Amino acid sequence: GQQLNQSPQSMFIQEGEDVSMNCTSSSIFNTWLWYKQDPGEGPVLLIALYKAGELTSNGRLTAQFGITRKDSFLNISASIPSDVGIYFCAGQPPSRGAQKLVFGQGTRLTINP
Amino acid sequence: ETGVTQTPRHLVMGMTNKKSLKCEQHLGHNAMYWYKQSAKKPLELMFVYNFKEQTENNSVPSRFSPECPNSSHLFLHLHTLQPEDSALYLCASSQGWGDYEQYFGPGTRLTVT
Repeated sequence: GQQLNQSPQSMFIQEGEDVSMNCTSSSIFNTWLWYKQDPGEGPVLLIALYKAGELTSNGRLTAQFGITRKDSFLNISASIPSDVGIYFCAGQPPSRGAQKLVFGQGTRLTINP
Repeated sequence: ETGVTQTPRHLVMGMTNKKSLKCEQHLGHNAMYWYKQSAKKPLELMFVYNFKEQTENNSVPSRFSPECPNSSHLFLHLHTLQPEDSALYLCASSQGWGDYEQYFGPGTRLTVT
């Protein structure tokens, strides 16, 4: 089946640094979503992308839908301690049902104060 | 209550027990989902319901039995589980068919002994 390769798997940064993570696939996707999961909680939707090339911001977060439709990235600017958590990308492939999302394995972000 | 709620938050059960997980969404959505989240693995879709009707069963073993009495409530009945079924079980909801933005509950941490 279709898979998403999310990288890096983990990041250790200093507070105030910018963060960049991405998801890639050998297949195209119609929609890209980015979620954040805190320990002991469910994923929270951060950004949704619907068109190739689309660039969307949510506060300090910026995400882009790759022009080839096979990748997406998420940037976090000026990281703060509450940014700690696991970030997941999710894609909706055209060959699957409208409600079936494929998830990446996550990027675990750790911030040193 | 707001968003998506799940009870219990933690559950320990023996392999011969029968238990149920409950999910309730307060978002006015028409679609509900069950996911399994295991360590080091991407989220796995289990079941999808649209307007109370099951529209997806992702080859889930029969020891997991979902029930959706209405668009706001979703249950997952568990019986004769195996230790490898221990995981975080997440419920999600979305507006409905064609809506890719899924909103998750906090999950139930299940341990099978």
